[in-house]
Amino acid sequence: DTGVSQDPRHKITKRGQNVTFRCDPISEHNRLYWYRQTLGQGPEFLTYFQNEAQLEKSRLLSDRFSAERPKGSFSTLEIQRTEQGDSAMYLCASSSTAVGAADYGYTFGSGTRLTVV
Amino acid sequence: KQEVTQIPAALSVPEGENLVLNCSFTDSAIYNLQWFRQDPGKGLTSLLLIQSSQREQTSGRLNASLDKSSGRSTLYIAASQPGDSATYLCAGIRGAGSYQLTFGKGTKLSVIP
Repeated sequence: DTGVSQDPRHKITKRGQNVTFRCDPISEHNRLYWYRQTLGQGPEFLTYFQNEAQLEKSRLLSDRFSAERPKGSFSTLEIQRTEQGDSAMYLCASSSTAVGAADYGYTFGSGTRLTVV
Repeated sequence: KQEVTQIPAALSVPEGENLVLNCSFTDSAIYNLQWFRQDPGKGLTSLLLIQSSQREQTSGRLNASLDKSSGRSTLYIAASQPGDSATYLCAGIRGAGSYQLTFGKGTKLSVIP
């Protein structure tokens, strides 16, 4: 397993367009998280899944944002009608809750850099 | 709401120097704490994880400690190298049943050759 993969690495879009990002977590990790990071700030929590269930959404996740994890494996994050304020790095992470797992830490992907012009 | 403060915001040191990065939490109820490294425009690389039953972790030239009673963590880097230049982020999970990492803004480290 090569870790958490995110696609695309960079996305430039015009304001008002829709964009979709993909995240492939570590295969044995049952939890998947989306975070957003703006310049000079630490990442902020957006939402998380345990298997295919979306269990929590942050207030940062407006109605224009939707995330899915249909089969409990990869996840997509869609932003509709993008705004300039959506410009940020979108980070995906995964972790395991398995009993006996050696490490309960988070593994992050390389992120998708979104620029809305 | 948990808030995380990292001091200093930026640090510049000559190569070979030992250094300490600080992280503090407004709520000392920390379950796990994780230190990450972030290179410009990149994702986060996990450095050290201190689990609930631990007080410190070591990996190579890195040592991280956690004092839950005071809500503080430190990351010690020995014999710094130019390749250590990056932003270092600490993040905590508040409870065993929690899932959200709360991050500080990071410390930007520059190691001068």
